[in-house]
Formats: sequence, C-alpha cells, structure tokens
Amino acid sequence: AQSVTQLGSHVSVSEGALVLLRCNYSSSVPPYLFWYVQYPNQGLQLLLKYTTGATLVKGINGFEAEFKKSETSFHLTKPSAHMSDAAEYFCASYKAAGNKLTFGGGTRVLVKP
Amino acid sequence: NAGVTQTPKFRVLKTGQSMTLLCAQDMNHEYMYWYRQDPGMGLRLIHYSVGEGTTAKGEVPDGYNVSRLKKQNFLLGLESAAPSQTSVYFCASTSGTDTQYFGPGTRLTVL
Repeated sequence: AQSVTQLGSHVSVSEGALVLLRCNYSSSVPPYLFWYVQYPNQGLQLLLKYTTGATLVKGINGFEAEFKKSETSFHLTKPSAHMSDAAEYFCASYKAAGNKLTFGGGTRVLVKP
Repeated sequence: NAGVTQTPKFRVLKTGQSMTLLCAQDMNHEYMYWYRQDPGMGLRLIHYSVGEGTTAKGEVPDGYNVSRLKKQNFLLGLESAAPSQTSVYFCASTSGTDTQYFGPGTRLTVL
C-alpha cells in the first residue's frame, strides 16, 4: 500500500529565509507526486506535481520540489519565505486505480516577520 | 466556471441527527471524491465515484453513504451523526487525469 510521510507537523521560518518541507513516499513503483497548499479556511490548491521526466519541478509562488527516487523523497523548497506563504502544505501520491490520492499528514508553516 | 462548490459551509448537529452534504462541479468531471480532514492526519478518503451512478468505498467509509445520481453532483450522507464525525469535509473532482480540484470545505461539528 502507498503511504506518504511528512516530517514535521509545524515549521517556523523567518521572512526571507529558506522554506524546506520534507516528504517521503513508499511505493513499489515510483508514483506521481503532488504538493498542495491550503490557506486558512480554504480548500486545497495544487502547488506542483511530478509525473515523469525532469525530476526538478517548479510550481506556483516560487516553490519547487525535487523527486529523488534513491531517497524516495519529494521535498518542497522556496528560497525566500514571504508572509503570504503561511499555510498548511500537503504532500500526496497518486494511484491510477480510481485516480486516488494518498495524503501525508500536512505541515503547517508559520512565517515570522 | 464556479469549479467545485460545497453546501453548506458550516453545520452543527446533535448526536443521532442526519444530514446530507452536497458537492457540485461544473467541469464535466467523471471522478468525484469525499475526504475528511482531521488535525495531523491529512485528508482521508471516505467514498469516491468514477462516474455517474457509481460509488466506491475509500479509506474511512463507515458511518457515511454517498450517491451520484447526476454527473455534476456527489452527495455525502450521515445517517446518525456521532461526535467522531466532527471534521472538515472536502469534495474534489477530476477528469481522469491525476490532478484533483477541491471545494472550499464544510466544517461539521457533532455535539
């Protein structure tokens, strides 16, 4: 069975500092992988996704993620945090049967001025 | 396009009461999903549908029922609400590709 693990339920960063959110997956075959963001009192919106091809994926709002098969990881980064990045971030893997997503537990990001 | 909409946005129930949550999408998507979101647990799949007239169980289906009578609508029912069903419920849809589009959520409290 697929599973997704996000290390750290809360991350606090200073404005302008690097944002690093960790995600590891377990799967018998490399899955499609996603990062979603949830702003307060809103639904989830897609930040970026990895399907095939280039392992460094760029998303919206300056975020990017790198798929590393050898480490079964898909960590999300942003070089310089902005106050507007305060949100909860979810990593997810995709299973073709039923087009289902499996989500990690989420990481809440706090940005300090 | 409104995308994915959910009604109601908030609801408070007493234990044992029933209710139905409505999800509607205007993107002509085949696949629709209901999730619940609880702190530290991410989103967990309750039920899903791969097309009009079909439904299937997800990870946490107990205590919930669903129906997909029309392609654009996916209903989630709680027949006898329990405090353990206090959660935020999200609906999502997709055309059959990998990306799912989410509604704004319904916050349900069961007293």
